[in-house]
Amino acid sequence: QKEVEQDPGPLSVPEGAIVSLNCTYSNSAFQYFMWYRQYSRKGPELLMYTYSSGNKEDGRFTAQVDKSSKYISLFIRDSQPSDSATYLCAMSAITNAGKSTFGDGTTLTVKP
Amino acid sequence: DAGVTQSPTHLIKTRGQQVTLRCSPKSGHDTVSWYQQALGQGPQFIFQYYEEEERQRGNFPDRFSGHQFPNYSSELNVNALLLGDSALYLCASSPQTGLAYNEQFFGPGTRLTVL
Repeated sequence: QKEVEQDPGPLSVPEGAIVSLNCTYSNSAFQYFMWYRQYSRKGPELLMYTYSSGNKEDGRFTAQVDKSSKYISLFIRDSQPSDSATYLCAMSAITNAGKSTFGDGTTLTVKP
Repeated sequence: DAGVTQSPTHLIKTRGQQVTLRCSPKSGHDTVSWYQQALGQGPQFIFQYYEEEERQRGNFPDRFSGHQFPNYSSELNVNALLLGDSALYLCASSPQTGLAYNEQFFGPGTRLTVL
């Protein structure tokens, strides 16, 4: 079983919808939680990161971490066609902050 | 600022050959990490270089080796290529400031195809 499991896609939503992306993990040492966006044939781009539990909001994006359930989420409000991409969750322990463990990604399509 | 650059963009090799991939980190970054991303999967950590030394390593065989130069650029070498080594190889750079999280900036990757 993988350390990080991500809801498989693909996910298709109409423009303006609220999107929910989720990951679960098994390693309780993970303290940093990241969400990346990856467009086709490009490298991942960091969207948000959160340290330990709690919520973090940045514009249309909200990241939630529930360490007690080992569950993280990314919400996208008012989704746009330009949000169409693969979303990757990633995590790292405080002692190996540079070594990220990624989920396999969820491909999102936002239809106009 | 050019960000993280990688070369070449694409590469085709045959089984048993050796390959070298190159990475230049973002300006001001001294730490370079390499990841392998197979089709349809998330990136997997190969290793990280800081101060010209391998600091952390993922679950990859010794066929995968690397180097970091004094200017912080880095190379990834893979020997005795296998079909399963076909993947997108990503380089990520970050500043090294202790245990705190430092954002990793990824390059566009090198797509390696092994025939």
